[in-house]
Amino acid sequence: GAGVSQSPSNKVTEKGKDVELRCDPISGHTALYWYRQRLGQGLEFLIYFQGNSAPDKSGLPSDRFSAERTGESVSTLTIQRTQQEDSAVYLCASSRNSRGVTGELFFGEGSRLTVL
Amino acid sequence: QQQVKQSPQSLIVQKGGISIINCAYENTAFDYFPWYQQFPGKGPALLIAIRPDVSEKKEGRFTISFNKSAKQFSLHIMDSQPGDSATYFCAASMRSGGGADGLTFGKGTHLIIQP
Repeated sequence: GAGVSQSPSNKVTEKGKDVELRCDPISGHTALYWYRQRLGQGLEFLIYFQGNSAPDKSGLPSDRFSAERTGESVSTLTIQRTQQEDSAVYLCASSRNSRGVTGELFFGEGSRLTVL
Repeated sequence: QQQVKQSPQSLIVQKGGISIINCAYENTAFDYFPWYQQFPGKGPALLIAIRPDVSEKKEGRFTISFNKSAKQFSLHIMDSQPGDSATYFCAASMRSGGGADGLTFGKGTHLIIQP
């Protein structure tokens, strides 16, 4: 597809389980972002990948959260030992950033995580 | 920490009226100010953006007004329609800090247009 694809669209899990969320960015987009959006709230930055540079992990809320990206392709966000406060929509966005200039972000539809 | 302060948090406007959402920033290095629109169940999408070399940008019923000296910018929606009901996020970024450090979102405004 032409847009950012995220899977699963919905995930219900039990407290303490690990979850993995996937993001397929738009082809050719060097930058990839993960955001968390709690119900009715704003966009909380989690992590940013730019090409082969070291990722900016400054937004990750705890060491239970981690993310990987292979080159300029798929990214996975992993949440270990999930807690109820992790319940939120996790949004992925990609952008054709170049030489430090932030371009338009294209967002996926998000993965809705519910931790029981 | 760099911040973009957005207000109001929620807004109700009658159909045909003007919706106004305001944002203020602190870092004078910001040089790109986009607005994103988010419908329920969807990801945000770029609506309109402005750079500080102009004071106003208009696209259809949507206008950004920019006041560099006051470090404020606002979104005006003319002739508001029920289909405009959505959450709107302002943002700011800077060239030298491209990437996550350079892009900061406001907390969003939930806009409802009443028929």
